[in-house]
Amino acid sequence: GQQLNQSPQSMFIQEGEDVSMNCTSSSIFNTWLWYKQDPGEGPVLLIALYKAGELTSNGRLTAQFGITRKDSFLNISASIPSDVGIYFCAGQEDRDDKIIFGKGTRLHILP
Amino acid sequence: EPEVTQTPSHQVTQMGQEVILRCVPISNHLYFYWYRQILGQKVEFLVSFYNNEISEKSEIFDDQFSVERPDGSNFTLKIRSTKLEDSAMYFCASSDLLTGRYEQYFGPGTRLTVT
Repeated sequence: GQQLNQSPQSMFIQEGEDVSMNCTSSSIFNTWLWYKQDPGEGPVLLIALYKAGELTSNGRLTAQFGITRKDSFLNISASIPSDVGIYFCAGQEDRDDKIIFGKGTRLHILP
Repeated sequence: EPEVTQTPSHQVTQMGQEVILRCVPISNHLYFYWYRQILGQKVEFLVSFYNNEISEKSEIFDDQFSVERPDGSNFTLKIRSTKLEDSAMYFCASSDLLTGRYEQYFGPGTRLTVT
């Protein structure tokens, strides 16, 4: 089945630093989504990408849909304490209803 | 801002018992989904539902599982005879064809504990 490889698994950064994480897949996706999950809560949609090469921002977050349609990255600029959580990439293949999730990147911010 | 709601937030049940997890999707959404997340793992797709029927299901969604839209607002997941390995967070999600079918909005989840 489809696999999403998300890296890094975890990150420890200082407040104010920029963050970058990425996702690669074994197959072509039509849609890439980035979610954030806080402990005990459901995933919250951050950014949706629909076209190869598309670069989309949401505040301090920027995500890109890779040209090959098999990868995507998420950048967070000037991190703040509330950015702590788990970030999941998710992708959707043609004609599928479901979205496939990566294993997540856990972001820690050091005081 | 409209959101997906789920009840209960936590359900404890004994192995072999039936459970029903309830969801109220965002009101103008047409596509509904159930996902589960075993503790510490990734979110896994169970089933999608559109136009009053299942449109896609995963291997996890076997004969023990069923979904229903009993009225115009609720969407339920039933597990007929729970097993220990069914313990997980269950998330309901919904999406709207017009704004982006694959922008799925998730509820807060129901934590199911099977003892």
